[in-house]
Formats: sequence, structure tokens, C-alpha cells
Amino acid sequence: EAQVTQNPRYLITVTGKKLTVTCSQNMNHEYMSWYRQDPGLGLRQIYYSMNVEVTDKGDVPEGYKVSRKEKRNFPLILESPSPNQTSLYFCASSPRDLAFQETQYFGPGTRLLVL
Amino acid sequence: GESVGLHLPTLSVQEGDNSIINCAYSNSASDYFIWYKQESGKGPQFIIDIRSNMDKRQGQRVTVLLNKTVKHLSLQIAATQPGDSAVYFCAEKRATSGSRLTFGEGTQLTVNP
Repeated sequence: EAQVTQNPRYLITVTGKKLTVTCSQNMNHEYMSWYRQDPGLGLRQIYYSMNVEVTDKGDVPEGYKVSRKEKRNFPLILESPSPNQTSLYFCASSPRDLAFQETQYFGPGTRLLVL
Repeated sequence: GESVGLHLPTLSVQEGDNSIINCAYSNSASDYFIWYKQESGKGPQFIIDIRSNMDKRQGQRVTVLLNKTVKHLSLQIAATQPGDSAVYFCAEKRATSGSRLTFGEGTQLTVNP
């Protein structure tokens, strides 16, 4: 089944404890992206990747890191999480760069609570 | 500031009626617009998109209208069904922002039986 998977789905952590949220897609997609969703603010893009070893900042990259060593994986790294990073995180992928009629597929989400 | 936003946070309709969800945007330099549907506990799901040089585009039971004069986008759902209950987002791909999407806040659509 073609899908985007994220792990973990739920995570409670404490301020300053490094964590990684994994994202994997099995569709051989070139474009992958991370978003966070907060009440009243909607979805905001954190980082995206056009292909292996090619990443770029979205609208809210502060406090996050990403890597794209393999085409299928795009982990989101929080080196020193803070309470303002408590949010619902979505990974997404699309076959190529964002374009008209190029569907972007979203993962199920990771709910993160930073105490 | 530049933004993509929605007129109404909630919309309640009767099953079988048509639904219209609106979105206002402020940036004129956009490649295309996208509508997403997000059901409770799930990630957003692509519904339909429209290029900025188009006025209208139709899909299965859905129609998107783009009025560039007033910078307004709408999603029309025909014969709304209970399964259409969800949050609907518009998103914008700006020509000047690389490969980034800017989302509106979302409208909660509730379909009453």
C-alpha cells in the first residue's frame, strides 16, 4: 500500500531532550516536507526536500533540523525541544516538486508534547 | 502581512445540500491554489487544485472557483454527504517562495443528517 508513515504517533518529552520523528514513504517520491499544525494558525511548513541531500527552509524552521540521506526517509530532528514546539506534526511527500496536479500525500501525524 | 485565510471558521449544512467554503488570499504572485480535506485524527487529503490562470475547475462533486479580481477562492461541494464532514483548508503555492505552501486556517464543515 502506498503511504507515508511517521513514528512515533504520540510523544511526551521534556525540555532539552533531543528527539527525532521519523518519516518514510514507499512511493519513490522526490519531494518531502514537514509541517506543524497549531490551533488558529493552521498548517505551517517547517522544512522541505526536493531530493536526496537537497533540503530547504520553510516558513518556521527555527529549532528544527532535517536530513535526506535516502530518498524514502526524511527525519525531523529537535535538538533541544522547547514547550513552544508542542504541536501536531505532519510529514508529506509528492512525486516531484510541488506543481499543479501534483498530489501531495500526508502522513497520519505525530502529536508532540514538550513539558 | 501576506496571508491565506478563510472567511468562516465553521459551516453547518443539511445532508444533500450544496456547501460553499470560502478562502481569501492577499498575495497576487501565486502559481496555483489547492484545497485539502482533513478528517478528525488524520492528515490532510488533496481534493482539487486550480492554476492561477484558471477561473474554474471541476472534480467529482467538487468545483473550485478563483476570482483574482477580489482575491477569493471557493470550494463548492455538491449534494453534501455525512462523509464530507471535515476541516477544509485552502493552500497557496506562491511563485516567489520556492517549493513552499502557505495554508489558510481551515473551515470546519458539519453535515447534519
